Amino acid sequence: DTGVSQDPRHKITKRGQNVTFRCDPISEHNRLYWYRQTLGQGPEFLTYFQNEAQLEKSRLLSDRFSAERPKGSFSTLEIQRTEQGDSAMYLCASSLRQGSSYNEQFFGPGTRLTVL
Amino acid sequence: GEDVEQSLFLSVREGDSSVINCTYTDSSSTYLYWYKQEPGAGLQLLTYIFSNMDMKQDQRLTVLLNKKDKHLSLRIADTQTGDSAIYFCAESIWGAGNMLTFGGGTRLMVKP
Repeated sequence: DTGVSQDPRHKITKRGQNVTFRCDPISEHNRLYWYRQTLGQGPEFLTYFQNEAQLEKSRLLSDRFSAERPKGSFSTLEIQRTEQGDSAMYLCASSLRQGSSYNEQFFGPGTRLTVL
Repeated sequence: GEDVEQSLFLSVREGDSSVINCTYTDSSSTYLYWYKQEPGAGLQLLTYIFSNMDMKQDQRLTVLLNKKDKHLSLRIADTQTGDSAIYFCAESIWGAGNMLTFGGGTRLMVKP
């Protein structure tokens, strides 16, 4: 399968614990995006990378959140000291930026986080 | 600021046409999109339209864009029960990272 994959698909944790999610983009896609989707809402942009550089961060990304893409391939999103308000679906998407042409973002299945 | 709004719910009978509407506020939007989300599945891009176009047709899907009113619509012809899902309108500004701003989604229910 050559689509975007995310791991784990589900995570249940207790408030105050740290969690880390992984996203594997489509091979050779140079852009990688993280979004968060709460129940009944549309996805909201969190951050994106072009290769290994993190180029934009939303104000939604508090200092408890950190994302990395160390080798420009897979990415991790860590949430420290989780709060109940962090419960959401975390979506990853990737795209191939080539010049000025349009490029589609392909979404993974998401990681559903439940904070008890 | 950016804001994308959609009605919450639409119910149609199988075989009828469905029209899902969206309004956006950012006049800098370069691309506008329609995504489909089914339970347990990822977001699927259905179609997109560049802001210098008024209409785009792709099989059963027709997208209409009214830039003056900042209104986007998706028409699904001959709606089938398999079209039941949540549909999200989204916008992006090309050259600004192309981050997507989504609406809240419209739940389409197709009755047999």
